[in-house]
Amino acid sequence: AQSVTQPDIHITVSEGASLELRCNYSYGATPYLFWYVQSPGQGLQLLLKYFSGDTLVQGIKGFEAEFKRSQSSFNLRKPSVHWSDAAEYFCAVGDNYGQNFVFGPGTRLSVLP
Amino acid sequence: NAGVTQTPKFRILKIGQSMTLQCAQDMNHNYMYWYRQDPGMGLKLIYYSVGAGITDKGEVPNGYNVSRSTTEDFPLRLELAAPSQTSVYFCASSYLPGPTSTDTQYFGPGTRLTVL
Repeated sequence: AQSVTQPDIHITVSEGASLELRCNYSYGATPYLFWYVQSPGQGLQLLLKYFSGDTLVQGIKGFEAEFKRSQSSFNLRKPSVHWSDAAEYFCAVGDNYGQNFVFGPGTRLSVLP
Repeated sequence: NAGVTQTPKFRILKIGQSMTLQCAQDMNHNYMYWYRQDPGMGLKLIYYSVGAGITDKGEVPNGYNVSRSTTEDFPLRLELAAPSQTSVYFCASSYLPGPTSTDTQYFGPGTRLTVL
Protein backbone atom coordinates (compact mmCIF):
# COMPACT_ATOMS: atom_id res chain seq x y z
CA ALA A 1 0.00 0.00 0.00
CA GLN A 2 1.16 3.49 -0.67
CA SER A 3 2.42 5.65 2.16
CA VAL A 4 3.96 9.03 2.73
CA THR A 5 6.37 10.06 5.45
CA GLN A 6 7.36 13.54 6.45
CA PRO A 7 10.25 13.10 8.87
CA ASP A 8 10.02 16.56 10.39
CA ILE A 9 7.01 17.22 12.61
CA HIS A 10 7.94 20.84 13.28
CA ILE A 11 10.49 23.15 11.69
CA THR A 12 11.38 26.69 12.74
CA VAL A 13 13.23 29.05 10.40
CA SER A 14 14.00 32.74 10.47
CA GLU A 15 12.31 35.04 8.00
CA GLY A 16 14.44 35.34 4.89
CA ALA A 17 16.14 32.01 5.42
CA SER A 18 15.84 29.13 2.97
CA LEU A 19 13.51 26.22 3.60
CA GLU A 20 13.41 22.56 2.70
CA LEU A 21 10.62 20.26 3.82
CA ARG A 22 11.21 16.58 3.33
CA CYS A 23 8.79 14.05 1.88
CA ASN A 24 9.38 10.36 1.16
CA TYR A 25 6.83 8.09 -0.42
CA SER A 26 6.16 4.45 -1.09
CA TYR A 27 4.09 3.72 -4.17
CA GLY A 28 3.90 0.74 -6.47
CA ALA A 29 3.36 2.61 -9.71
CA THR A 30 4.45 5.92 -11.11
CA PRO A 31 3.32 8.35 -8.46
CA TYR A 32 1.44 11.58 -8.72
CA LEU A 33 2.92 13.82 -6.03
CA PHE A 34 1.54 16.90 -4.34
CA TRP A 35 2.29 19.51 -1.74
CA TYR A 36 -0.53 21.27 0.09
CA VAL A 37 -0.47 24.08 2.62
CA GLN A 38 -2.99 24.54 5.41
CA SER A 39 -3.17 27.81 7.32
CA PRO A 40 -4.73 27.72 10.79
CA GLY A 41 -8.48 27.16 10.64
CA GLN A 42 -8.43 26.87 6.85
CA GLY A 43 -8.81 24.13 4.30
CA LEU A 44 -5.95 22.87 2.18
CA GLN A 45 -4.52 24.76 -0.74
CA LEU A 46 -2.52 23.08 -3.48
CA LEU A 47 1.03 24.46 -3.80
CA LEU A 48 2.28 22.29 -6.62
CA LYS A 49 2.04 18.85 -8.18
CA TYR A 50 4.15 16.47 -10.21
CA PHE A 51 2.86 13.96 -12.75
CA SER A 52 5.61 13.55 -15.30
CA GLY A 53 8.28 15.42 -17.22
CA ASP A 54 10.64 17.89 -15.62
CA THR A 55 11.46 16.67 -12.12
CA LEU A 56 11.74 20.22 -10.77
CA VAL A 57 8.25 21.62 -10.32
CA GLN A 58 7.40 25.24 -9.71
CA GLY A 59 4.39 26.14 -7.61
CA ILE A 60 2.60 29.10 -6.19
CA LYS A 61 3.98 31.48 -3.55
CA GLY A 62 7.58 30.92 -4.68
CA PHE A 63 7.71 27.23 -3.76
CA GLU A 64 9.33 24.49 -5.80
CA ALA A 65 9.76 20.75 -5.34
CA GLU A 66 12.07 18.20 -6.85
CA PHE A 67 11.10 14.61 -7.63
CA LYS A 68 13.91 12.12 -7.12
CA ARG A 69 12.80 8.66 -8.10
CA SER A 70 16.00 6.97 -6.86
CA GLN A 71 15.39 8.37 -3.38
CA SER A 72 11.57 8.15 -3.45
CA SER A 73 11.52 11.77 -2.39
CA PHE A 74 9.65 14.92 -3.29
CA ASN A 75 11.13 17.67 -1.12
CA LEU A 76 9.63 21.15 -1.02
CA ARG A 77 11.89 24.19 -1.12
CA LYS A 78 11.71 27.94 -0.92
CA PRO A 79 14.77 30.20 -1.18
CA SER A 80 13.51 32.91 1.20
CA VAL A 81 10.74 32.32 3.70
CA HIS A 82 8.18 35.00 4.56
CA TRP A 83 6.32 35.24 7.88
CA SER A 84 3.08 34.45 6.03
CA ASP A 85 4.47 31.02 5.13
CA ALA A 86 3.93 29.83 8.69
CA ALA A 87 1.45 26.97 8.28
CA GLU A 88 1.14 23.20 8.11
CA TYR A 89 2.48 21.53 4.97
CA PHE A 90 1.27 18.20 3.67
CA CYS A 91 2.85 15.97 1.07
CA ALA A 92 0.55 13.54 -0.74
CA VAL A 93 0.81 10.74 -3.27
CA GLY A 94 -1.89 9.28 -5.43
CA ASP A 95 -3.14 8.08 -8.73
CA ASN A 96 -5.37 9.75 -11.24
CA TYR A 97 -8.64 8.79 -9.60
CA GLY A 98 -8.53 10.12 -6.06
CA GLN A 99 -9.42 6.99 -4.17
CA ASN A 100 -5.78 6.10 -3.60
CA PHE A 101 -4.81 9.57 -2.53
CA VAL A 102 -2.70 9.39 0.65
CA PHE A 103 -1.48 12.29 2.72
CA GLY A 104 1.58 12.46 4.91
CA PRO A 105 1.26 13.48 8.58
CA GLY A 106 2.30 17.06 7.90
CA THR A 107 5.14 19.39 8.90
CA ARG A 108 4.36 22.49 10.90
CA LEU A 109 6.44 25.48 9.87
CA SER A 110 7.09 28.34 12.27
CA VAL A 111 8.79 31.52 11.07
CA LEU A 112 10.80 33.74 13.41
CA PRO A 113 10.88 37.49 12.74
CA ASN B 1 -18.46 31.37 -6.80
CA ALA B 2 -18.61 30.31 -3.17
CA GLY B 3 -16.44 27.27 -3.96
CA VAL B 4 -16.81 24.41 -1.49
CA THR B 5 -18.90 25.18 1.58
CA GLN B 6 -19.31 23.07 4.69
CA THR B 7 -21.73 23.29 7.58
CA PRO B 8 -21.58 23.33 10.51
CA LYS B 9 -18.14 24.70 11.38
CA PHE B 10 -18.17 23.12 14.82
CA ARG B 11 -20.29 20.47 16.51
CA ILE B 12 -20.26 18.51 19.73
CA LEU B 13 -22.08 15.18 19.82
CA LYS B 14 -22.79 12.68 22.55
CA ILE B 15 -21.91 9.04 22.01
CA GLY B 16 -24.62 7.33 20.00
CA GLN B 17 -26.07 10.48 18.48
CA SER B 18 -26.29 10.91 14.76
CA MET B 19 -25.70 13.89 12.52
CA THR B 20 -25.13 14.93 8.93
CA LEU B 21 -22.21 17.04 7.80
CA GLN B 22 -23.21 19.13 4.83
CA CYS B 23 -21.01 19.85 1.84
CA ALA B 24 -21.92 21.81 -1.27
CA GLN B 25 -20.01 23.10 -4.26
CA ASP B 26 -21.12 25.52 -6.96
CA MET B 27 -18.42 24.76 -9.52
CA ASN B 28 -20.33 21.99 -11.31
CA HIS B 29 -17.70 19.47 -10.27
CA ASN B 30 -18.41 15.81 -10.87
CA TYR B 31 -16.02 14.48 -8.25
CA MET B 32 -16.44 15.03 -4.54
CA TYR B 33 -14.58 13.66 -1.54
CA TRP B 34 -14.80 13.44 2.22
CA TYR B 35 -11.64 13.34 4.32
CA ARG B 36 -10.98 13.28 8.03
CA GLN B 37 -7.91 14.81 9.63
CA ASP B 38 -6.83 13.63 13.04
CA PRO B 39 -4.31 15.58 15.14
CA GLY B 40 -0.77 15.08 13.88
CA MET B 41 -1.99 13.02 10.97
CA GLY B 42 -2.57 13.62 7.32
CA LEU B 43 -5.95 13.41 5.69
CA LYS B 44 -7.61 10.06 5.19
CA LEU B 45 -10.24 9.50 2.52
CA ILE B 46 -13.62 8.38 3.89
CA TYR B 47 -15.84 8.30 0.79
CA TYR B 48 -15.82 9.77 -2.65
CA SER B 49 -18.30 10.27 -5.46
CA VAL B 50 -17.74 10.38 -9.21
CA GLY B 51 -21.11 11.90 -9.98
CA ALA B 52 -24.71 12.14 -8.86
CA GLY B 53 -25.94 8.75 -7.70
CA ILE B 54 -22.49 7.16 -7.57
CA THR B 55 -20.42 6.82 -4.42
CA ASP B 56 -17.62 4.55 -3.26
CA LYS B 57 -15.61 3.82 -0.13
CA GLY B 58 -12.25 5.32 0.60
CA GLU B 59 -9.65 4.24 3.12
CA VAL B 60 -11.70 4.69 6.34
CA PRO B 61 -15.45 4.34 5.57
CA ASN B 62 -16.61 2.47 8.69
CA GLY B 63 -19.15 4.41 10.75
CA TYR B 64 -20.07 6.74 7.90
CA ASN B 65 -22.52 6.90 5.04
CA VAL B 66 -22.86 9.23 2.10
CA SER B 67 -25.32 10.04 -0.62
CA ARG B 68 -25.10 12.10 -3.79
CA SER B 69 -28.54 12.95 -5.10
CA THR B 70 -27.37 16.12 -6.89
CA THR B 71 -24.11 17.29 -8.44
CA GLU B 72 -23.85 20.10 -5.89
CA ASP B 73 -24.35 18.29 -2.57
CA PHE B 74 -22.45 15.48 -0.89
CA PRO B 75 -23.57 15.02 2.73
CA LEU B 76 -21.72 12.75 5.15
CA ARG B 77 -23.81 10.90 7.71
CA LEU B 78 -22.66 9.62 11.11
CA GLU B 79 -25.27 7.18 12.44
CA LEU B 80 -23.92 6.26 15.90
CA ALA B 81 -21.24 8.73 16.88
CA ALA B 82 -18.23 7.33 18.70
CA PRO B 83 -15.28 9.13 20.35
CA SER B 84 -13.03 7.72 17.62
CA GLN B 85 -14.87 9.94 15.16
CA THR B 86 -13.66 13.09 16.87
CA SER B 87 -11.81 14.78 14.03
CA VAL B 88 -11.81 17.60 11.53
CA TYR B 89 -13.72 16.71 8.40
CA PHE B 90 -12.90 18.19 5.02
CA CYS B 91 -14.96 18.03 1.89
CA ALA B 92 -13.32 18.52 -1.49
CA SER B 93 -14.36 18.58 -5.12
CA SER B 94 -12.75 18.43 -8.52
CA TYR B 95 -13.98 18.63 -12.11
CA LEU B 96 -11.92 15.72 -13.40
CA PRO B 97 -11.23 12.43 -11.63
CA GLY B 98 -8.78 13.02 -8.86
CA PRO B 99 -6.05 15.62 -8.96
CA THR B 100 -5.09 15.30 -12.66
CA SER B 101 -2.59 17.35 -14.55
CA THR B 102 -5.25 19.81 -15.62
CA ASP B 103 -7.27 19.99 -12.48
CA THR B 104 -7.02 20.26 -8.75
CA GLN B 105 -9.05 19.46 -5.69
CA TYR B 106 -10.74 22.37 -3.99
CA PHE B 107 -11.19 22.01 -0.25
CA GLY B 108 -13.85 23.37 2.05
CA PRO B 109 -12.94 25.06 5.35
CA GLY B 110 -13.69 21.96 7.42
CA THR B 111 -16.05 20.86 10.19
CA ARG B 112 -14.57 20.28 13.64
CA LEU B 113 -16.48 17.46 15.33
CA THR B 114 -16.09 16.36 18.94
CA VAL B 115 -17.81 13.24 20.26
CA LEU B 116 -18.05 13.02 24.06
